[in-house]
Amino acid sequence: EAQVTQNPRYLITVTGKKLTVTCSQNMNHEYMSWYRQDPGLGLRQIYYSMNVEVTDKGDVPEGYKVSRKEKRNFPLILESPSPNQTSLYFCASSRSGQGAFNTEAFFGQGTRLTVV
Amino acid sequence: KNEVEQSPQNLTAQEGEFITINCSYSVGISALHWLQQHPGGGIVSLFMLSSGKKKHGRLIATINIQEKHSSLHITASHPRDSAVYICAVRSLSSGSARQLTFGSGTQLTVLP
Repeated sequence: EAQVTQNPRYLITVTGKKLTVTCSQNMNHEYMSWYRQDPGLGLRQIYYSMNVEVTDKGDVPEGYKVSRKEKRNFPLILESPSPNQTSLYFCASSRSGQGAFNTEAFFGQGTRLTVV
Repeated sequence: KNEVEQSPQNLTAQEGEFITINCSYSVGISALHWLQQHPGGGIVSLFMLSSGKKKHGRLIATINIQEKHSSLHITASHPRDSAVYICAVRSLSSGSARQLTFGSGTQLTVLP
């Protein structure tokens, strides 16, 4: 089954404690992206990756890091989480042969992060 | 003005009603996506459109590129259709390496 898998689904952590949210896709997609969703602000892009070892900032990259060492995995790293990073996070992937998201988009189940 | 506007923001319907959700956008696009987000939070892709009309079960999506407008229709609505429906466009502009621009979503509640 084609899917994007995020882990964990729920996470409560304390300010400053480094954490990683994993994202893995089994469709051999080149393009992967991270979004955060906040009430009243909708979905905003954090980082994206066009392919292995190719990453770039989205609209709200501050406080986040990513890596793309393998095609299937695109982890989101919060080196020193702060309460303003409390949010619902989504990973997404698509083929990019004709440009990302010109074909079907696949989203993970979401990770609800609370930073206290 | 947002690049992607959805209406209505909230919609309550009785089971069995025909539902329409609208999406208007102001940029040139190569694709438009309709997404469904259930109360549990997960997002599922319903349709990807670049022209015309697509149908899947009770769901129909249409797009008019000239008018920069898309509609999502649900026939014979059911309480399990209750969710947030999000329109997202794939912009042609600015290199578009990262461009999915999202609408703010329509919260649909279908009452039994």
